[in-house]
Amino acid sequence: GEDVEQSLFLSVREGDSSVINCTYTDSSSTYLYWYKQEPGAGLQLLTYIFSNMDMKQDQRLTVLLNKKDKHLSLRIADTQTGDSAIYFCAESLGSNSNSGYALNFGKGTSLLVTP
Amino acid sequence: ETGVTQTPRHLVMGMTNKKSLKCEQHLGHNAMYWYKQSAKKPLELMFAYSLEERVENNSVPSRFSPECPNSSHLFLHLHTLQPEDSALYLCASSQDLPATGAELTNEKLFFGSGTQLSVL
Repeated sequence: GEDVEQSLFLSVREGDSSVINCTYTDSSSTYLYWYKQEPGAGLQLLTYIFSNMDMKQDQRLTVLLNKKDKHLSLRIADTQTGDSAIYFCAESLGSNSNSGYALNFGKGTSLLVTP
Repeated sequence: ETGVTQTPRHLVMGMTNKKSLKCEQHLGHNAMYWYKQSAKKPLELMFAYSLEERVENNSVPSRFSPECPNSSHLFLHLHTLQPEDSALYLCASSQDLPATGAELTNEKLFFGSGTQLSVL
């Protein structure tokens, strides 16, 4: 299948904003997700956005969705060292698929927050 | 804690060994999954179970054998693995599987911490 694309690395200073970008593949995806994976841990759902929304804000997290370009971004305000982790973008496979329970993940963006 | 527990956390095995990975969820969910996370590759769904019945097998080699004895437990039995099978194996659960043609929608996945497998 086609790949969900993410940049592999991002480094920011503590207190700055981080923006992680993702390009997804399935225009019929209903939900798009951001997962966080800390070292030695499994994936944890951070937030998700319904495809009829352009933006969703949840405390320090802002998700922007551009359906026309199939572009998703995650902005973390006031980034802290504890935000250092790998962030995965994922799309639900859409109503055209018989595997709607599966998610199509990107390879992950490693975010490094430096003091 | 996500409510999904995997054991062991780390496993090193030779190519002739037989081992099993265990996953247990305490969330009352009906669906469980095995995902494989290899270096530099996207997560891949290996198996999906709903109410103990397998509903997906994404062309996984037979050296991986899943078992779901009840809706709370999922195993992955391993035998005669290859070094390229070294990866992080993640278990996940969700409340239910959506119907065919529908999407996971808000049936969010809850992941375990994974088993880091090294095949020598």
